[in-house]
Parts: sequence; C-alpha cells; structure tokens
Amino acid sequence: DIQMTQSPSSLSASVGDRVTINCRASQSINRYLNWYQQKVGKAPKLLIYATSSLESGVPSRFSGSGSGTDFTLIINSVQPEDFASYYCQQSYITPRTFGQGTKVEIK
Amino acid sequence: QVQLQESGPGLVKPSETLSLTCSVSGDSVSSDNYYWSWIRQPPDKGLEWIGHIYYSGSINYNPSLKSRVTISVDTSKNQFSLKLTSVTAADTAVYYCARGRYSNSSGRAFDIWGQGTMVTVSS
Repeated sequence: DIQMTQSPSSLSASVGDRVTINCRASQSINRYLNWYQQKVGKAPKLLIYATSSLESGVPSRFSGSGSGTDFTLIINSVQPEDFASYYCQQSYITPRTFGQGTKVEIK
Repeated sequence: QVQLQESGPGLVKPSETLSLTCSVSGDSVSSDNYYWSWIRQPPDKGLEWIGHIYYSGSINYNPSLKSRVTISVDTSKNQFSLKLTSVTAADTAVYYCARGRYSNSSGRAFDIWGQGTMVTVSS
C-alpha cells in the first residue's frame, strides 16, 4: 500500500492568514493526488483533484501543487468557514489511501 | 443533483455481518467513468477506503478487509451494497458511500459522498 503522510497534524491560524498543508507519498504517485475538506459531523468534500485542479464551486483561495511524492495544499487568506480537517488521498493505485488528516483551528 | 444515501442497521453484534445499502439519485450506477465506493471513518480517526465496484461488476477491495468484504451493485434499484462479515469493535465507524470519478479530463476522485451512517459493533 502507498502510505500518505500529512504535516502538520494540526495548526492554528488567524482569519486572513496563508495556510500550508503538506502531503508526502511513500512512492511516486505522479499527480494522482486529491484534497478533501471535512467539517465536524459532515462527509468529506472534494476540493482539489489531480494535484492542482479546483473542483467546481470551490473558492479560488484554495490551490494545490506538487508531483511525484510531495504535494502541498495552500489556503490563501483563510476564512472562518475554512476551519476544518483536510485530507490528502492518492488515486494512483488501489488500495486508495488517505493521509491522517490536518486539523486547521482558529488562533 | 446527484445524491447518495446510506441505509442499514446502526448496531451490529460482534461476529455478525454488517450490511449497508447506498441509494443513488440523480445519476445511474450504470454510468461510464464512475465507480461506486465505500469508505469508513472510525470515531476521531482518519478515512479508510473499503472498496469499489464498476457497474460492469469489476471490483477492487482493500486487502486489509478483502477476506470479509463483499460489494455488489443492483442496477434495477440504482443501488450498491456493502457486506462486512465477522465484525468486531474495530469495525465501529461512520460508513460513507461515495461516487468515484474516473476520467482523463476530470481526474480520479471521490466527488459525491453520502452523509454517512454510524455503525456500532457491540453486544
């Protein structure tokens, strides 16, 4: 299985800050990397697919980059509604695997 | 608007079989370029992919669960289902069904999720 490791596990940010979340795969996954946002008690929501493509309806303050084994999710000017957990997920091979999550909290 | 809805018992006894169904509206489980998936999340933990099925019957399971899992699709009811046998407390989780996109132009990702259903394994 491909192991996905996110860092940090949690972070505190103020509204308006730039937030960076990293995701590393245990082997190359090309650009088959997706990002999801999950709020408490809700299902995950797809934000970014194929490393850097924004899902329809997702605000442009979210962006993704990377390739191979190292990937990054950036939230430019984080908003109150962005405080949630974020998960990366590889879709290169099965079994599909997720990172352990990063919780973004209000400072 | 595509919607997925899980249904099934919220409480299952140890050693018994967990059975869930996902009803799909706004799309067909026979659609090309989509696969139909089950994903679970234990309380306060991360996400674990269980497996997925194409309408044609092609199936992939997580090797960690493969010996206990069966996923099937019923095109006449526009549903797909999950069975997990010999459950233990470790199988207690929120179970999600999700639509998996599989497209050169739109990527491979879980783009539509059900709201999730909590299943507790306890006697």
